[in-house]
Amino acid sequence: DAGVTQSPTHLIKTRGQQVTLRCSPKSGHDTVSWYQQALGQGPHFIFQYYEEEERQRGNFPDRFSGHQFPNYSSELNVNALLLGDSALYLCASSLVRKTGSETQYFGPGTRLLVL
Amino acid sequence: LAKTTQPISMDSYEGQEVNITCSHNNIATNDYITWYQQFPSQGPRFIIQGYKTKVTNEVASLFIPADRKSSTLSLPRVSLSDTAVYYCLVGPVSGYSTLTFGKGTMLLVSP
Repeated sequence: DAGVTQSPTHLIKTRGQQVTLRCSPKSGHDTVSWYQQALGQGPHFIFQYYEEEERQRGNFPDRFSGHQFPNYSSELNVNALLLGDSALYLCASSLVRKTGSETQYFGPGTRLLVL
Repeated sequence: LAKTTQPISMDSYEGQEVNITCSHNNIATNDYITWYQQFPSQGPRFIIQGYKTKVTNEVASLFIPADRKSSTLSLPRVSLSDTAVYYCLVGPVSGYSTLTFGKGTMLLVSP
C-alpha cells in the first residue's frame, strides 16, 4: 500500500520563475491538502482539493494555485517566485468521508530553494 | 480553531519517560487533540489522538483532564531516535479538516 509520494524531492529556482510540485495521495484517498513549512516553523495550510476543485484555502496569495486530477493526484504551482517562498512543501492526503484518528497522511515533502 | 501553547524545547536522556504538556484553553466541544511527530526534512507523522481521559497506543499515551484545557503526551523510555519536533493540534477531525500547526516542541534525547 503506497503512501503519499511527492516529486521532486529538491528544487532550486531563481526569483521570478515558476515552479510545479506534484503529489500522489495514499491509495484510497480522495482529498489532497498542501502545506508550506518555513525553516523553524510548523506547517501552514495552503489549500485543499477534493473532486478536482479547491475546497478550502489558507492565507496565501493568488501566486499559489493548484490542480487535482481525476486520479486524485495533485499539483501545486507557484508563480513569480520570491525568496520567501523557500520552504518545505508538504502534501497530505485524506478520505473525505472518514472521521476519527489519523485522517491525514503526509508525504516526505519537496524542499524548494529560491535564489 | 483553538490555539495551543507548548514548550519550545525539552531535553531528556535515553530510557527516561518524557511528558510534553500542551495548553489549549479555548478548546471547543467538537475538538479533538492530536499529536504529530516530525523529523528534519520529513512530513509530520501521526502519533496519537484523543478526546478525553486517557488514550494509549504502542508508541505513546495521551492524558486529557476533565476540563480538556490541556493535554500531556507521554513517551515511555525514549531513545535517540525519538529526537524530533512534536506538535499538539486541536480541532475537529474529519477527512476534510485542515490542520493548524504551532511551532511545536523540539525534543532532544541524549545518550
